Amino acid sequence: DTAVSQTPKYLVTQMGNDKSIKCEQNLGHDTMYWYKQDSKKFLKIMFSYNNKELIINETVPNRFSPKSPDKAHLNLHINSLELGDSAVYFCASSTRDGSYEQYFGPGTRLTVT
Amino acid sequence: AQSVSQHNHHVILSEAASLELGCNYSYGGTVNLFWYVQYPGQHLQLLLKYFSGDPLVKGIKGFEAEFIKSKFSFNLRKPSVQWSDTAEYFCAVNNYGQNFVFGPGTRLSVLP
Repeated sequence: DTAVSQTPKYLVTQMGNDKSIKCEQNLGHDTMYWYKQDSKKFLKIMFSYNNKELIINETVPNRFSPKSPDKAHLNLHINSLELGDSAVYFCASSTRDGSYEQYFGPGTRLTVT
Repeated sequence: AQSVSQHNHHVILSEAASLELGCNYSYGGTVNLFWYVQYPGQHLQLLLKYFSGDPLVKGIKGFEAEFIKSKFSFNLRKPSVQWSDTAEYFCAVNNYGQNFVFGPGTRLSVLP
């Protein structure tokens, strides 16, 4: 029944490591997103994919690389993790029906030590 | 660049009080407007949205918002809050799939 799912829910890792977060949606949406929510709850869009094609790529370090194997999946790979990468990462999806209402996943809390 | 501001960082109310959270955006063109709620430890959920039509929009849980184009505002209201409304509230805007911008959020604490 889960519309947008993410794994893992929690991720604790050391600086310098490489990690991935997976996202899947079963809503049939064409567009998927990654957001970063910092400790002050500020939400910022990182990437957006439409039908496996990158359409939004905000100013994000190139250590972050999204990958979309199909339109139901958008994974986020992070290289050489830094302390400042600690945050909650939300995946979302939307239709392209005009409103672009977004459905969010449960979030992945990443802690870099 | 498009931006969204929310008037209050933290609002504290007693149960049954009325609520109004302010939201203003900066963009001269046509926009889609949203209010999302994030309950403690949970993901964002849509409360309501304005896409087109009637500028007074009704959402879930008794919330409503009014789009005033001349003021670039989309304020959220609820006549009587409950303790369960304690959450973080985000105003958001996009213009036809571009420029997704969220406001900084307003934390609402409702005292029982």
